[in-house]
Amino acid sequence: SQKIEQNSEALNIQEGKTATLTCNYTNYSPAYLQWYRQDPGRGPVFLLLIRENEKEKRKERLKVTFDTTLKQSLFHITASQPADSATYLCALDPGGGSYIPTFGRGTSLIVHP
Amino acid sequence: NAGVTQTPKFRILKIGQSMTLQCTQDMNHNYMYWYRQDPGMGLKLIYYSVGAGITDKGEVPNGYNVSRSTTEDFPLRLELAAPSQTSVYFCASSYSISGETGGYFGPGTRLTVL
Repeated sequence: SQKIEQNSEALNIQEGKTATLTCNYTNYSPAYLQWYRQDPGRGPVFLLLIRENEKEKRKERLKVTFDTTLKQSLFHITASQPADSATYLCALDPGGGSYIPTFGRGTSLIVHP
Repeated sequence: NAGVTQTPKFRILKIGQSMTLQCTQDMNHNYMYWYRQDPGMGLKLIYYSVGAGITDKGEVPNGYNVSRSTTEDFPLRLELAAPSQTSVYFCASSYSISGETGGYFGPGTRLTVL
């Protein structure tokens, strides 16, 4: 069955370091992979989308990589700040003319000052 | 634009009661979705709609119903509430059929069934 895996343990890092979050998937061939940020008590907020034919995408301090051979996406936040503390969700979209994404459970990031 | 709005923010139901969760978007998006999120779990798709008059089941549709009479509104109906429906419900919308820009989520409705 299709499965999306994100680290269930929180990632703790020091301010200024680069945070790297992982999204692995099995039995899936996504056309698009998206990353969202979710703060406690709020809905997810879209951050970045990467297509299956793209290796890397950047937006300000964010960088996403997508390796369809390894079936993995890495989400990097450089020069992390305490305000980056949140849960980050990855979502896979099979494409094919529909947009019905499937979400992972998310990984909590805690940036310590 | 207000984006995606949901009402109510919180609700407590007794077992067997019914209610409708309201969702409205003002971005003229074709796609709308209902997800539920249980503690420590990912978002599970309940129902989705690709346009007015068209709805389809997601991963966990049992115990719920939806309708989409207009582009803007996508209410979720709970019939005969059960404790297993205690969750946070998120409505979302998207205007791209290619998923180019991701989804816009509402603030959520926290529902408790006792």
